[in-house]
Amino acid sequence: QSVLTQPPSVSAAPGQKVTISCSGSSSNIGNNYVSWYQQLPGTAPKLLIYDNNKRPSGIPDRFSGSKSGTSATLGITGLQTGDEADYYCGTWDSSLSSGPYVFGTGTKITVL
Amino acid sequence: EVQVVESGGGLVQPGRSLRLSCTASGFTFGDYALSWVRQAPGKGLEWVGFIRSKAYGGTTEYAASVKGRFTISRDDSKSIAYLQMDSLKTEDTDVYYCTRGQYGDGYYIDVWGKGTTVTVSS
Repeated sequence: QSVLTQPPSVSAAPGQKVTISCSGSSSNIGNNYVSWYQQLPGTAPKLLIYDNNKRPSGIPDRFSGSKSGTSATLGITGLQTGDEADYYCGTWDSSLSSGPYVFGTGTKITVL
Repeated sequence: EVQVVESGGGLVQPGRSLRLSCTASGFTFGDYALSWVRQAPGKGLEWVGFIRSKAYGGTTEYAASVKGRFTISRDDSKSIAYLQMDSLKTEDTDVYYCTRGQYGDGYYIDVWGKGTTVTVSS
């Protein structure tokens, strides 16, 4: 059971904007930086966002990240069919109930 | 090209051991933390553990679910990291990814391998 909660699924039409929330606590998101990962069907995850809101080279600016308090948000604008994937947040966690690094429960984006 | 490649997966009986390897190329292996992440079929990601670079003491951290059973080590001279899995359980059946860790303002994973499948079954 992950300590970071995400909605199981989000859907929208092509061209629309979607946001995915990642809810945690002071032991993780509240005091650490958040990263986001995209996992296309049948492939390994890929880094999308790091340090809350930074994009690695090659990631389009349609993808954005933000953090406020104990929650983080991934935003995707101009949704494309190629964005259909599972998305995970990740961050450091200082509690003893999990590992030092934790992932969110994951959100599947469906493009209608 | 920066990459990590896992090997060593397979079918193993409950209670037995298995060692996975992660071979890196395209970067200075010794400068980076290496972590293992696993994923059950159709399920989410679970961080297993990591080993810091020698510059940060080469120490390890583990998820509570594997602590005491799994051991991560590294051989910087060969650019290989290992995941020794002992006392395996059926619930350890997963795809295991080797990943490279980065430190920016925070820690994140910037390189993922394609994964190797471990099946624990009698």
